[in-house]
Amino acid sequence: NAGVTQTPKFQVLKTGQSMTLQCAQDMNHNSMYWYRQDPGMGLRLIYYSASEGTTDKGEVPNGYNVSRLNKREFSLRLESAAPSQTSVYFCASTPRGFLGYEQYFGPGTRLTVT
Amino acid sequence: EDKVVQSPLSLVVHEGDTVTLNCSYEVTNFRSLLWYKQEKKAPTFLFMLTSSGIEKKSGRLSSILDKKELFSILNITATQTGDSAVYLCAVEGGSEKLVFGKGTKLTVNP
Repeated sequence: NAGVTQTPKFQVLKTGQSMTLQCAQDMNHNSMYWYRQDPGMGLRLIYYSASEGTTDKGEVPNGYNVSRLNKREFSLRLESAAPSQTSVYFCASTPRGFLGYEQYFGPGTRLTVT
Repeated sequence: EDKVVQSPLSLVVHEGDTVTLNCSYEVTNFRSLLWYKQEKKAPTFLFMLTSSGIEKKSGRLSSILDKKELFSILNITATQTGDSAVYLCAVEGGSEKLVFGKGTKLTVNP
């Protein structure tokens, strides 16, 4: 049981390049989330997917797109990376929305945009 | 707009001290408050507090929720160097999203 996995662990991009961050969970959870964390900040929600087939914007969606490929996988795409997107990205999942459930986090992807 | 404020932002103590971390919030339709510990990687879950469970304890860590005054505290007694971490508070409100505070960075010196 791997829990929540993310790839890659580290990535360096040049301004304007694109990339996709992958996330998968094997806990049969319905809800999945993408957060970013910047130094001295808490976690800020980028996008979330309450269930397979649905996605919604979070607090900081600009510059990102997401795809809920199936129940297990939720990817985050940067179409044209900017230095302001340098951050650590965490994927998370819960059984069914929040409703009091704890979130399970992946190990994170450290992204640097130069 | 939902808001979570943690204080202090950072704290340095000696091993054996007791610390209290604070979390105040403003959210519509409060559902739950969660505490996480974050070392150099992903946050790990500590406690969840809801209307039906306003006090939790696990070993040297304990937390209470005051729904009337809209805050929670996380207490750590007899601190150890392994307690050094960033402690995150998050609140689930009517928007069905977790809103996180900026965290409190705790450093425990030997």
